Amino acid sequence: KAGVTQTPRYLIKTRGQQVTLSCSPISGHRSVSWYQQTPGQGLQFLFEYFSETQRNKGNFPGRFSGRQFSNSRSEMNVSTLELGDSALYLCASSLGFNSYNEQFFGPGTRLTVL
Amino acid sequence: AQRVTQPEKLLSVFKGAPVELKCNYSYSGSPELFWYVQYSRQRLQLLLRHISRESIKGFTADLNKGETSFHLKKPFAQEEDSAMYYCALSEARDTDKLIFGTGTRLQVFP
Repeated sequence: KAGVTQTPRYLIKTRGQQVTLSCSPISGHRSVSWYQQTPGQGLQFLFEYFSETQRNKGNFPGRFSGRQFSNSRSEMNVSTLELGDSALYLCASSLGFNSYNEQFFGPGTRLTVL
Repeated sequence: AQRVTQPEKLLSVFKGAPVELKCNYSYSGSPELFWYVQYSRQRLQLLLRHISRESIKGFTADLNKGETSFHLKKPFAQEEDSAMYYCALSEARDTDKLIFGTGTRLQVFP
């Protein structure tokens, strides 16, 4: 079956703009999690959605937000972009019932803020 | 605060040599521990989890609660094992949230 897909794969924005990233989970998966990956901080958890509800949230400012739709697709939005938001944004999906369910990662969206 | 530490950024070995990638964690409860791997130009993927007590591609990892460690081991490294390895911790069973270590790059030379 098809894996997790993320669009767009690459994005260049300027400071102060906003951006929306999209993640389509594996069919049947109900949980989507988002991570930010940078050389300095590594992989950091942003938020997790399960059945359209935010189940968990990381320590990121309110400029970072997300949502999940009824078909389990998820979007994350970053407003008022800063240079430090440049990163690879990964999403992962799973069945979502417990941590034993394997998470499958997408290829990521590379965001560059100029 | 919960934390996962991988002290080595880079580990270089020759083919056939034993490998041990170190992982230590700090967590007050009973964590779920995982190893994820990212091969060149591939996606991050699950390698193994402590609850399964399995051996995948010859790799094993034992959870040592006394030393709060979850080291990844393989007795004989292969060139195809070259990759980035991340240790990760899950705080609870009802969440997918993972706390990742900073990763160790394993290089296996022929």
